[in-house]
Amino acid sequence: NAGVMQNPRHLVRRRGQEARLRCSPMKGHSHVYWYRQLPEEGLKFMVYLQKENIIDESGMPKERFSAEFPKEGPSILRIQQVVRGDSAAYFCASSPTWGGANQPQHFGDGTRLSIL
Amino acid sequence: TQLLEQSPQFLSIQEGENLTVYCNSSSVFSSLQWYRQEPGEGPVLLVTVVTGGEVKKLKRLTFQFGDARKDSSLHITAAQPGDTGLYLCASRNTGNQFYFGTGTSLTVIP
Repeated sequence: NAGVMQNPRHLVRRRGQEARLRCSPMKGHSHVYWYRQLPEEGLKFMVYLQKENIIDESGMPKERFSAEFPKEGPSILRIQQVVRGDSAAYFCASSPTWGGANQPQHFGDGTRLSIL
Repeated sequence: TQLLEQSPQFLSIQEGENLTVYCNSSSVFSSLQWYRQEPGEGPVLLVTVVTGGEVKKLKRLTFQFGDARKDSSLHITAAQPGDTGLYLCASRNTGNQFYFGTGTSLTVIP
């Protein structure tokens, strides 16, 4: 897990504030995926990005959520005007440039978001 | 949407016992992956199975892919406390998404 870096590990926000979650993929990986996980549940796909492109955002709510993966720097998952229901663990994963259907993903250790 | 159902949802066993967990779908998988997730950490890939009927072994863990590629099982022999964690199966659809199962939460009691 050490290869994919997520920060912060824990983030506390009050309702209505903005949350920014960062993900630096493993070296050499240009594909990034964001997932959301509630306690004792599996991971739910949110968005898939390549450098400077959103490839698939079908799992991400249309309002308040956005994601980017700039040419330089980490991928950012941004949640505006947070509500209590946004409390969850958010995981980022990356895969190599040549990733195909069988290419596994490497996960970070997640950001635990708590909304007061 | 490709639904992956895992069973059992929770499993608590004594150290030294054997166990099997299952991952099932109504759809055919092109491949399937098993991950283990420990509390406070991200999932870690255990194995990828690709061919129907394939069996892979990883020390005390045996993974099997169904002949029809619609189901998979994970068997652990002589479970140890270090095996405790959430076991997730995952598969990728024809698009870009990985679908994860609901998970089996395993607790091995010393």
